[in-house]
Amino acid sequence: KAGVTQTPRYLIKTRGQQVTLSCSPISGHRSVSWYQQTPGQGLQFLFEYFSETQRNKGNFPGRFSGRQFSNSRSEMNVSTLELGDSALYLCASSPGLAYSYEQYFGPGTRLTVT
Amino acid sequence: KQEVTQIPAALSVPEGENLVLNCSFTDSAIYNLQWFRQDPGKGLTSLLLIQSSQREQTSGRLNASLDKSSGRSTLYIAASQPGDSATYLCAYHTGANSKLTFGKGITLSVRP
Repeated sequence: KAGVTQTPRYLIKTRGQQVTLSCSPISGHRSVSWYQQTPGQGLQFLFEYFSETQRNKGNFPGRFSGRQFSNSRSEMNVSTLELGDSALYLCASSPGLAYSYEQYFGPGTRLTVT
Repeated sequence: KQEVTQIPAALSVPEGENLVLNCSFTDSAIYNLQWFRQDPGKGLTSLLLIQSSQREQTSGRLNASLDKSSGRSTLYIAASQPGDSATYLCAYHTGANSKLTFGKGITLSVRP
């Protein structure tokens, strides 16, 4: 079974631009969660989507948004990029609601904002 | 604020040594706890998941235990190998929301 895939793997953007990251979960998984990883803050939860609905959102500004499609694939969008948004963005999938199941992570998208 | 502490931040051991990685948490309402490894610049690989009703889980040379009453989990690695070199993170879910609360990780180096 293929693992969680994320595209693109690397991205360089300029301050003020917007970016969209994509996550394809393991086949049959219905929950997708997103995390931001930085050296200073570690791993922080962004949001979880289940059956096309956002279930929970972490403590991030409204510039961070997401959505999930009927095939469970998810996208995350960051608008008006800031230098501090430079990070590794990871998504995780699970068969059901995130808190109940083992989480399987993708390889991440490395975003650099200049 | 609920926290996860992993001490020490870095550890270097000779090949073949048995070792224990510690994880302490303050939230007593954990639903499950998961151990991950992360290689430099890569994503997280799930190692073991322990439900709050369980005491331990084993996979190959790895054994993880959970003691909710003391707020501790340990990951035991038997007969360590250079390929075990990575950062090991613990994280837990509560039943209240979706997020995994992570520790900062322990960077392990196994010397040949």
